[in-house]
Amino acid sequence: AQSVTQLGSHVSVSEGALVLLRCNYSSSVPPYLFWYVQYPNQGLQLLLKYTSAATLVKGINGFEAEFKKSETSFHLTKPSAHMSDAAEYFCAVRWAGANNLFFGTGTRLTVIP
Amino acid sequence: DTGVSQDPRHKITKRGQNVTFRCDPISEHNRLYWYRQTLGQGPEFLTYFQNEAQLEKSRLLSDRFSAERPKGSFSTLEIQRTEQGDSAMYLCASSQDRVAGYTFGSGTRLTVV
Repeated sequence: AQSVTQLGSHVSVSEGALVLLRCNYSSSVPPYLFWYVQYPNQGLQLLLKYTSAATLVKGINGFEAEFKKSETSFHLTKPSAHMSDAAEYFCAVRWAGANNLFFGTGTRLTVIP
Repeated sequence: DTGVSQDPRHKITKRGQNVTFRCDPISEHNRLYWYRQTLGQGPEFLTYFQNEAQLEKSRLLSDRFSAERPKGSFSTLEIQRTEQGDSAMYLCASSQDRVAGYTFGSGTRLTVV
């Protein structure tokens, strides 16, 4: 069965440290890939997306993600964490031929001052 | 355009009552999606509209759930005979095409007591 896995339901980093949130998908056909951020009691906001163009995708708020087909991964990174980055982050996949997005279970990012 | 609007933001209802939620998508988006999100989980797909046509429904959408998009603009999601297990955040999203990411509303939080 196709799946999207986010390793680590909780990640804590110090302010100014590197942020790395992991996402792996299971498919032989590269899907479209997305990262969303959700702040408490809010909907989800699109951070960035991969749609088979450049493998390194830059998004909003200084985030970027690299699509690695050989590793079936799409990890999200940010060089220096800011307190305002504390939120829930979701990786999402649109499988080939599908109309809807399938979301991972999310990673809660805590930024320690 | 003010984005995707959902109404109400919060709804508390007694078990067995019917509830209806409304979603107003971005006006030029012809695709509309409903998702459900429970605490600590990623959003789960419920149903998808393209214009006024409901093209896909998840197995999660039991017979008690019905969604409409009568004129291809706003959409409603009705839950009949609510159960405590229906307590969740109901998210609406819209998009321009299959490749574009979704724009989410802020959601309607349903509590069934």
